[in-house]
Formats: sequence, structure tokens, C-alpha cells
Amino acid sequence: KQEVTQIPAALSVPEGENLVLNCSFTDSAIYNLQWFRQDPGKGLTSLLLIQSSQREQTSGRLNASLDKSSGRSTLYIAASQPGDSATYLCAVRPGDYKLSFGAGTTVTVRA
Amino acid sequence: DGGITQSPKYLFRKEGQNVTLSCEQNLNHDAMYWYRQDPGQGLRLIYYSQIVNDFQKGDIAEGYSVSREKKESFPLTVTSAQKNPTAFYLCASSIEQDYSNQPQHFGDGTRLSIL
Repeated sequence: KQEVTQIPAALSVPEGENLVLNCSFTDSAIYNLQWFRQDPGKGLTSLLLIQSSQREQTSGRLNASLDKSSGRSTLYIAASQPGDSATYLCAVRPGDYKLSFGAGTTVTVRA
Repeated sequence: DGGITQSPKYLFRKEGQNVTLSCEQNLNHDAMYWYRQDPGQGLRLIYYSQIVNDFQKGDIAEGYSVSREKKESFPLTVTSAQKNPTAFYLCASSIEQDYSNQPQHFGDGTRLSIL
């Protein structure tokens, strides 16, 4: 059974600092990995999707890396802003339909 | 604008009552999903559907039922058999389900509470 872990559960940084969010998974046989953002009381917004054959994906200030062999992914957010405050979730997809989600890391960027 | 609409935003259930959560999408997506989110936990899959008139149980289907009569709609009923229904419910859709590298898109959720 795939287990997805995100540590730490919460993180507080001053504005301008780079953010590093970690995701680990127990079964390296994945099809892809997604990073999502969730604002309080809202649904999930897809940020980046990394296919199993890729090592990283970039979108603006966001960069996500994937190391399948070690079961890890890292989301980097450069030059954090107060608007980046949210919960960030990662989810892995094995060969079938189902996404396995981590519990998320709640980020607070202090102005 | 294309997207997923969930209603209502807040819902209260009395003991012994069934309630239905609505999910509508205009993205022309084939696959639709229902997830449950509890504090401090990851999302858990309740039901999913690949095509109209077909759906499959996820990890925590007991006490829930769904229908898929139209491509755009995937309502979820929380029955009285679900003893701990208080949670945040999220509906999602994707272009296709099997071996796809397309992301899932989510609605804004329905928060269900017990009266």
C-alpha cells in the first residue's frame, strides 16, 4: 500500500525566503506525481505534474523535482510572498487510477 | 468559464437522514471522483466514475452512494449508514482515467456537519 508523507506539517518563513517542501512515498512504481495548493475552505489547485520519466518541472517561481528511486519529491518556491500562504499537498499516482495523497504542509509567509 | 461546481458550500445532516451533494462540471471530462478530507489527513477516495452509467468504489465507499446519469454530473449521497459523515467533501474530474498524465481538477468543496 502506497504511503505518502509530508514533513513538516507546518512551516513559517519571512517574506522573500525560498521555500522547500518535501514529499516522500514508499512505493517507487509510480506513474506521476502532482503538487497541489489548497487555500482555507477551498478545493485543490494543481500546481505541477511530474511524469515518472521526468526529473523536474518548472512553472514561474515553482520548481518540483522527482527522485523515484529514493521515493522523494521536493517543491521549491523561490522568493516567497504572503500570497503563497496555503497548504501544499502532494499526490502520487501508481499504474492504476487512484491518487494517494499526503496530509499536506501548511505554509505561512510572514510579511 | 470552465470548471467544477459543488453545492451547497455548507450542509447539515440530522440523525437518520440522507443528504445529497451536487457536483457539476463543464470541462467535458470523462472521469469524475469524490474525495473526503478530514483534518490532518490526506484526501481519501470514496467513489470514481470513468464513463456515464458506470462507477467504482474507492477506499471508503461504505455509507455512500453515487450515480452517473450524465457526463456532467456526479452526485454523492451520504446515507444514514455513514456514522461519521462530518468532513470536507471534494469532487474532481479529469480528461480520462486510465494511464493519463492529465491533472485532476477540483471543485471548491462541500463542508458537511452533523446537527
